[in-house]
Amino acid sequence: QKEVEQNSGPLSVPEGAIASLNCTYSDRVSQSFFWYRQYSGKSPELIMSIYSNGDKEDGRFTAQLNKASQYVSLLIRDSQPSDSATYLCAGQSGGSYIPTFGRGTSLIVHP
Amino acid sequence: SQTIHQWPATLVQPVGSPLSLECTVEGTSNPNLYWYRQAAGRGLQLLFYSVGIGQISSEVPQNLSASRPQDRQFILSSKKLLLSDSGFYLCAWGKGSGELFFGEGSRLTVL
Repeated sequence: QKEVEQNSGPLSVPEGAIASLNCTYSDRVSQSFFWYRQYSGKSPELIMSIYSNGDKEDGRFTAQLNKASQYVSLLIRDSQPSDSATYLCAGQSGGSYIPTFGRGTSLIVHP
Repeated sequence: SQTIHQWPATLVQPVGSPLSLECTVEGTSNPNLYWYRQAAGRGLQLLFYSVGIGQISSEVPQNLSASRPQDRQFILSSKKLLLSDSGFYLCAWGKGSGELFFGEGSRLTVL
């Protein structure tokens, strides 16, 4: 099993809808989790970090972590065309300083 | 605030030529530094990381090398480029929490 897995997409949602991006992980990367947004041709940008079970909200973004199911997700409320990008999930185990990245999910928000 | 600069942004090099990409971080001390490569439509591949001056760890055997001559400077080099070295090279810094902050990236085309 790959350490961090994401569906490559594309995930297409209409403007104003909730976009739900999902990520599963193996035991090796089970401590901390991160979501990055990468616009086409640009570098990744950190948008959310989550370290404990439950939800973490920041504006239109909500990260959800379920360690029992080894599942982390990112919800984007009121999706906008400017949210169209690739979203990378990353995990890191305790004691490591090297996060492991998934291959990313492409999100398309259409007007 | 912390910033990271990476250059050059774009370069086209012939096969067999040398390479030097440079990255500097401002506003923090003793950062962990990383070089990633992202091939077209692919995920992030960790090439090198460094936890201190002169301390370099390589993740993937290749014809690339990295150096950290100063605390906030990270250099990626090659003596002879291969076609397969083409890609988007990303420098990043972090403080060990797993959160990474990326430079603008360097797009390399080897012809």
